[in-house]
Amino acid sequence: DVVMTQSPSSLSVTPGEPASISCRSSQSLLQSNGYNYLAWYLQKPGQSPQLLIYLGSNRASGVPDRFSGSGSGTDFTLKISRVEAEDVGIYYCMQALQTPLFTFGQGTTLEIK
Amino acid sequence: QVQLVQSGAEVKKPGASVKVSCKASGYTLTGHPLHWVRQAPGQRPQWMGWINIGNGNRRYSQNFQGRVTLTRDTSATTVYLELSSLRSEDTAVYYCARYYGDYEAFDIWGQGTMVTVSS
Repeated sequence: DVVMTQSPSSLSVTPGEPASISCRSSQSLLQSNGYNYLAWYLQKPGQSPQLLIYLGSNRASGVPDRFSGSGSGTDFTLKISRVEAEDVGIYYCMQALQTPLFTFGQGTTLEIK
Repeated sequence: QVQLVQSGAEVKKPGASVKVSCKASGYTLTGHPLHWVRQAPGQRPQWMGWINIGNGNRRYSQNFQGRVTLTRDTSATTVYLELSSLRSEDTAVYYCARYYGDYEAFDIWGQGTMVTVSS
């Protein structure tokens, strides 16, 4: 299985400040079509995961533009340009390279200072 | 609108089976397989299997050693997850999720079904 590792495990951010989460995969997620098969999700307290970013850097419908995804191969980053109170929750990266054996990172908890 | 609506919470004893439903609506069901993902308390999500509502094709994660069965009711646009030989470690929230091929990601999730296994 492709192992996904996130860092940090948690972060506390002041509203209006930026935040960054790293995700590393044990195998390259870059496919021959030029896309990275990496998605980011946010799971707000008591809710289902919601898709933020797909194919490494594409924002899903309705996702604010303060969220951005970057990286390629085995190293990826999710950035929030200005954290808002509604961004609290657990962020997960997920690989779709070994479809359908999807695997998720262990999660990064974002809290507001 | 596109939505997945799951059945309610369950409490089961060890060794029993549980069956969870997921009703899909608002999109062409045959185009997007439905997957099941579970999340134990404080753990990362874990993929369990998928089923195509249209043709019934399915695949399971080997992590569940044959305890998982996915079925469908095409007329009711509903898929079912059955997990047998339950043990305490199966206590988790079970989600169905639509896999959107253009995104290579799960774009729509059900609200989740809490399954508690306790004697």
